[in-house]
Amino acid sequence: GNSVTQMEGPVTLSEEAFLTINCTYTATGYPSLFWYVQYPGEGLQLLLKATKADDKGSNKGFEATYRKETTSFHLEKGSVQVSDSAVYFCALVQGGSEKLVFGKGMKLTVNP
Amino acid sequence: KAGVTQTPRYLIKTRGQQVTLSCSPISGHRSVSWYQQTPGQGLQFLFEYFSETQRNKGNFPGRFSGRQFSNSRSEMNVSTLELGDSALYLCASSLKVGGDEQYFGPGTRLTVT
Repeated sequence: GNSVTQMEGPVTLSEEAFLTINCTYTATGYPSLFWYVQYPGEGLQLLLKATKADDKGSNKGFEATYRKETTSFHLEKGSVQVSDSAVYFCALVQGGSEKLVFGKGMKLTVNP
Repeated sequence: KAGVTQTPRYLIKTRGQQVTLSCSPISGHRSVSWYQQTPGQGLQFLFEYFSETQRNKGNFPGRFSGRQFSNSRSEMNVSTLELGDSALYLCASSLKVGGDEQYFGPGTRLTVT
């Protein structure tokens, strides 16, 4: 079946540090890929998405590129802020369904 | 435009009881999905509905059920509650099915004692 594997952390960074969160997937066909973020005490918010190979999703300084050859969708940000402290989930959806398959999530803490 | 709303936000129940959670999707959205989030299992898909029809179901026992109404609002019900049902239950809505963006509500925190 479909699955997502991502770095689990937790990870602590200093403000303005570079962030990479690795995400790889297993799926038949061509899934759509997503990064969701969950702030403390809240639900999930869509951060960015990509629907086909070589697409780059970007939002709020975060970027991720859909790499079919490596089945990856790594999340990057050049300079993190304290406000980026949250849990980040990589996810995929496939096949005319709304069933999101999530990675286990990675907790990020950014210190001033 | 109002976001996805879920009621109640917090709930405490006793083992053996049943519970009903409610989700109102974003206006115009016809697809609603439910997820369970626990520290141990992470985010797991429960079921999805579109136009009052259940389109997909996750690997949960029959104690978990749901439905969708003609106005797209959805409810999920858990009967004979167990301690392990304690979780954050998240609802998500989207405009259509098939890889579209899903918008999540704040969740209902269910505690079973």
